[in-house]
Amino acid sequence: ELKVEQNPLFLSMQEGKNYTIYCNYSTTSDRLYWYRQDPGKSLESLFVLLSNGAVKQEGRLMASLDTKARLSTLHITAAVHDLSATYFCAVDHTYNTDKLIFGTGTRLQVFP
Amino acid sequence: GAVVSQHPSRVICKSGTSVKIECRSLDFQATTMFWYRQFPKQSLMLMATSNEGSKATYEQGVEKDKFLINHASLTLSTLTVTSAHPEDSSFYICSARDHPGELFFGEGSRLTVL
Repeated sequence: ELKVEQNPLFLSMQEGKNYTIYCNYSTTSDRLYWYRQDPGKSLESLFVLLSNGAVKQEGRLMASLDTKARLSTLHITAAVHDLSATYFCAVDHTYNTDKLIFGTGTRLQVFP
Repeated sequence: GAVVSQHPSRVICKSGTSVKIECRSLDFQATTMFWYRQFPKQSLMLMATSNEGSKATYEQGVEKDKFLINHASLTLSTLTVTSAHPEDSSFYICSARDHPGELFFGEGSRLTVL
């Protein structure tokens, strides 16, 4: 059974600080996704990582993928309040690459 | 880009009634759509795969008689929660992938059963 775990589950950080969210998954997967979810809203796609060593950056967020370690990271640089949200990683199901298995989620709060 | 639309966005119903949620792909055809459920402060759990023209495939532990899925056309899948009870209250989200392969999620439907 494919499992996807994130840590930390909850992160409270001060504006201007840096931090990394980790996503571990239990079996091989072709693609890894990062999503943002604001309260009461659906998912906003942040990154799709397609290969080992892939790194993508958008603004203060940078995502990377190590398929050998089955690990992805989402790095936050100089956090601002607008980044407060819940972040999910997700991987393709082993036998059906349209099905996603979501991580546990990381709830991020950025305070002044 | 491609859009997946859900309706209604919010619904409140009495216990014992049935509620239908629609998921539409607005500018592409989707032979497969997926339904997820999300309880407050939890992750998304895949409920079922909706297959156009055939029966849905349910994940383990999901009652197919309670959550009826119909995918009658290439742009529409519906999820009907039958005889809803308060424990069915949740946020339901659908997804579909367009032909180039990008995955899109609907806006979600919040169900509250009184």
